[in-house]
Amino acid sequence: AQSVTQPDIHITVSEGASLELRCNYSYGATPYLFWYVQSPGQGLQLLLKYFSGDTLVQGIKGFEAEFKRSQSSFNLRKPSVHWSDAAEYFCAVGGRGATNKLIFGTGTLLAVQP
Amino acid sequence: DAGVIQSPRHEVTEMGQEVTLRCKPISGHNSLFWYRQTMMRGLELLIYFNNNVPIDDSGMPEDRFSAKMPNASFSTLKIQPSEPRDSAVYFCASSPGQENQPQHFGDGTRLSIL
Repeated sequence: AQSVTQPDIHITVSEGASLELRCNYSYGATPYLFWYVQSPGQGLQLLLKYFSGDTLVQGIKGFEAEFKRSQSSFNLRKPSVHWSDAAEYFCAVGGRGATNKLIFGTGTLLAVQP
Repeated sequence: DAGVIQSPRHEVTEMGQEVTLRCKPISGHNSLFWYRQTMMRGLELLIYFNNNVPIDDSGMPEDRFSAKMPNASFSTLKIQPSEPRDSAVYFCASSPGQENQPQHFGDGTRLSIL
């Protein structure tokens, strides 16, 4: 069965510091992978997605993520965090086949210190 | 482009009342998803539709919950009778329907059952 693990519930970084949010998945084949961001009072917004090809994918707002098959990981990174990046981040996995259902991780809440 | 539109944004009602949440997906999207988000359980998929047909309702918590999609541009999630433990944020999302396409989320309905 598909599953997604985000081991960090809460992370605090200083503004301007680099960021890496971890995501591990369980799936029998190469999955589709997504990162979403949720600001308070809003819905989830797509940051980036991986389907195939280049394992380093670029997203909006300066985010990138790297798919590592050997580690079953899809970690989200940003070289320099801005205060406006404070939000909750969700990793999601989708399967190849008839369903287009996504399985979401439990989320990582990012706080940014001035 | 108009995104996924949910109404109402906030709903406060008394226990035992019927609650109806509404969703208008993005035009041309063939799949529609209803989620519930709480602090305790995170983001849970309740039900999803492909081409107006319910495909997987295994996440619907109990018979008090029902969802319909009478046409491609409208869906409802109904709770009858409502209970305080139904208090949550309910999200609707839509996608084009292909397996590698991301879901686009509405801003949610914050439901409070007193």
